[in-house]
Amino acid sequence: EAGVTQFPSHSVIEKGQTVTLRCDPISGHDNLYWYRRVMGKEIKFLLHFVKESKQDESGMPNNRFLAERTGGTYSTLKVQPAELEDSGVYFCASSPGHSGNTIYFGEGSWLTVV
Amino acid sequence: DQQVKQNSPSLSVQEGRISILNCDYTNSMFDYFLWYKKYPAEGPTFLISISSIKDKNEDGRFTVFLNKSAKHLSLHIVPSQPGDSAVYFCAASAKGTYKYIFGTGTRLKVLA
Repeated sequence: EAGVTQFPSHSVIEKGQTVTLRCDPISGHDNLYWYRRVMGKEIKFLLHFVKESKQDESGMPNNRFLAERTGGTYSTLKVQPAELEDSGVYFCASSPGHSGNTIYFGEGSWLTVV
Repeated sequence: DQQVKQNSPSLSVQEGRISILNCDYTNSMFDYFLWYKKYPAEGPTFLISISSIKDKNEDGRFTVFLNKSAKHLSLHIVPSQPGDSAVYFCAASAKGTYKYIFGTGTRLKVLA
C-alpha cells in the first residue's frame, strides 16, 4: 500500500513568487493534515481536512496560504506570494476516520524562499 | 505557549544501553500520545502510541510510559542500536480532536 506522497520534494523560489505543494494521502484516509517545520523547531499544525471540508485551519499563518482538497482526495497548499519566513519543510499526513488515530506522514516538501 | 515540551535537545547513549527520551505536556485534556522517529531528509515515522487509560505500552525494544499526574511521558529504547540515531518527537492530542501538538524533538545519537 502506498504511503503519503508529496510533491515537489524540494523547491527554491524567489520572494514574491508562488509555490503549490501537493499531497496524496493514503488511500481511504478521510483525514488529511498539513504541518510545517521551520529549522530546529517543533512540527507545527497548519490545518486539517475531513474529506473535502476544512475542519480546523487554526494553524494557517496568514492569508497568503491557501489549502484545498478537491473531491476529498489529494490536497494542495499554495503560498502566494512567498516570503522568506515561509521557508521550511511542509509535511502532509493522513489518518483513517475517527480521532485518536495515528497519523502517517509523507516525506515532506522542502521549501526555500530566497 | 509550548503545550508539549521536549527539554533535552540532544542525547548520546552507548550502543546496547538504554535510551530514555522525555516529554512533558501542560494541557490536561490531552489523552492520546504518539512518538515519532525522524531521519534527516525524511518524514516522521510512527513508533509507538499510548492512550491515557494506560500507563505503559510496549512494542519490542520500545516502551512508552505515561505519568498523568505529572503530565510526563517517556520513551525507553532497550537495547539502543546505532540505527536508532535520529530525532524523536512526541505528540499529543485531546479527546475528540484530530490536531496533534508536537514537541521540538530530541536528537538521539547511539554510539557504536
